[in-house]
Amino acid sequence: DTEVTQTPKHLVMGMTNKKSLKCEQHMGHRAMYWYKQKAKKPPELMFVYSYEKLSINESVPSRFSPECPNSSLLNLHLHALQPEDSALYLCASSQDLARGGSNQPQHFGDGTRLSIL
Amino acid sequence: RKEVEQDPGPFNVPEGATVAFNCTYSNSASQSFFWYRQDCRKEPKLLMSVYSSGNEDGRFTAQLNRASQYISLLIRDSKLSDSATYLCVVNGAGGFKTIFGAGTRLFVKA
Repeated sequence: DTEVTQTPKHLVMGMTNKKSLKCEQHMGHRAMYWYKQKAKKPPELMFVYSYEKLSINESVPSRFSPECPNSSLLNLHLHALQPEDSALYLCASSQDLARGGSNQPQHFGDGTRLSIL
Repeated sequence: RKEVEQDPGPFNVPEGATVAFNCTYSNSASQSFFWYRQDCRKEPKLLMSVYSSGNEDGRFTAQLNRASQYISLLIRDSKLSDSATYLCVVNGAGGFKTIFGAGTRLFVKA
């Protein structure tokens, strides 16, 4: 069982809907991540939070809006998505960011499978 | 050139075979390295971290060559349950950016 919990597991939404993806971890990790994964492709980094502050935004369109309410929770708010945004959205966490060569493996949730109609 | 490149695969091997995967990375300032496995329609799971001295975990051995900027994974005595996609993962300079290789698909057959 994964220690990073994502909800919902599946989401179908229209292009005009607003929805949110949620991610929770209770490992005391201070870095959290959102990834997008299309079929037969590797995960692509979207956002990185460190100590509840946004550290990286990989030029993600503004229709994706991340939020980190506290150190255990990470949300991804969705609005006016396009069909090409259909993908598996993965959340991950690590003890900290890998500064100075420290080994900080990421632990993944089992993802939200998103379909845009 | 991609930042992280892996053998394209797929690799089709019989049970009991030894199989090796290679991965190269372009940023010499990269600081930490990992192998993950991903089963179909599942999340990536950490297989092992990769250290300069090389490290072993049961049937799995990982090596890092910083001079040549490549990482390898050796699987001995392959099992049917080893069938998966193996992802090479590199944390970039400063540790902020995580880059996945495209993955190598392994099929182990009875």
